[in-house]
This record gives sequence, C-alpha cells and structure tokens, in this order.
Amino acid sequence: EIVLTQSPGTLSLSPGERATLSCRASQSIDSSYLAWYQQRPGQTPRLLIYGSFSRAAGIPDRFSGSRSGTDFTLTISRLEPEDFGVYYCQHYGSSPLTFGGGTKVEIK
Amino acid sequence: QVQLMQSGPEVKTPGASVKVSCKASGYTFTTYYLHWVRQAPGQGLEWMGVVNPSGGDTKYAQKFKGRVTMTRDTSTSTVYMDLGSLRSEDTATYYCARLAYPFGFDSWGPGTLVTVSS
Repeated sequence: EIVLTQSPGTLSLSPGERATLSCRASQSIDSSYLAWYQQRPGQTPRLLIYGSFSRAAGIPDRFSGSRSGTDFTLTISRLEPEDFGVYYCQHYGSSPLTFGGGTKVEIK
Repeated sequence: QVQLMQSGPEVKTPGASVKVSCKASGYTFTTYYLHWVRQAPGQGLEWMGVVNPSGGDTKYAQKFKGRVTMTRDTSTSTVYMDLGSLRSEDTATYYCARLAYPFGFDSWGPGTLVTVSS
C-alpha cells in the first residue's frame, strides 16, 4: 500500500500570500495517477489537479502541481478568500487507492 | 451533466447494517468505475472500495473486507454499499465518486451521513 504523508498539517496564511503544500509518497509512484482535491467546510471534495500537473476543468491558474521524486507539491500562487479549506493528495493508479491526511489552509 | 445522487441519512444501532445507494446519471453508467470513500467527523478521507458497474467485480480496502459489500444494478444505474457489524467508529459521511482516468475522482455524490449510536 502506498502511504501519502502530507505536510504541514495546518498552514496559516493571509489572502494574497503563496501557499506550498507537500505530499510525500512512501514509494515511487507513476505521476500520472496523483491528484489533489480541495474540500471547503461543509462541502464535498473537488478535483483540482490530476496527473500531478494538470488542472481540472474550471480550476484557476493560480493552482499548480509539481513533482520531485516521491515528493509532490501543490502551490497556490496568491491565496483568494475562497481557497481556504482542506487539501488532500491521492494516489489513484491501483488498488488500494490512498489519500494523504490533508493540509488545512486557514486564514491568519 | 454528470450527477451522483445518494440516499438519505441513516441512524443505526451498533451491530446493525446499513445500505447506501448512489444513482448515476448524465453519462453511460457502465463506462466508469464507482468508488466509495468515507469521512468521519473532523477527519480525513478514507477509501473503502470500488465496484465496476459493467462486470460487477469489486475490490475492497483490507480494513473493510468481510464487512462491506458493494453491488450495482445496471437497470437503474445505481451502485450500493452495504456495511455490516456497525460500530460507533463507523459514524461518518459516505461518498460515492466516479473515477475517470486520467482525471481521478471527477464527480462526487453529496454524501450520506451514517450515525451509529445506541
């Protein structure tokens, strides 16, 4: 089973700042099958990034994904008020699918 | 447009079973695998398993094997998740989600809250 470890647990930032969220895989994975989701309070998760780098339909370009080895990063270039919530990475290449524990982005 | 509609909230006593439904519309039901994910209050997302709407084959997370059954009904474009031997730790919101390669989970149901309490 691929374990995904997200850090930090909580990120306290102000609107307009840059957010950098990390997701480390326990073993090498195909970058084609790494996704990021956003979950606002009281809402269902929403797909942001798929295949490590590609934005899902309708996702603004301030969201970007990158990879270095087993480390995956979600960057939000300039935080907007609607960006605050919890972010999860996910491996979906093979069963069992796994999620990271999440990073909460909160308003400072 | 793609829609996944789930059944309503449930309250169960410990030891009982619950069956949650997820009705798909807006696309060809048999084309995409449907997964179940749960989220306990204030906690993260946990993958439970998947059902192939075409062949009916399933895969379950090790944690739930022997306690969960996922099925589908192609005549109504609906998948079901049946979880037995419920305990308080199973109190959670249960989501169905469509896996559309290469995109990941591109559509989610609204979630079904299952409360297990004596």
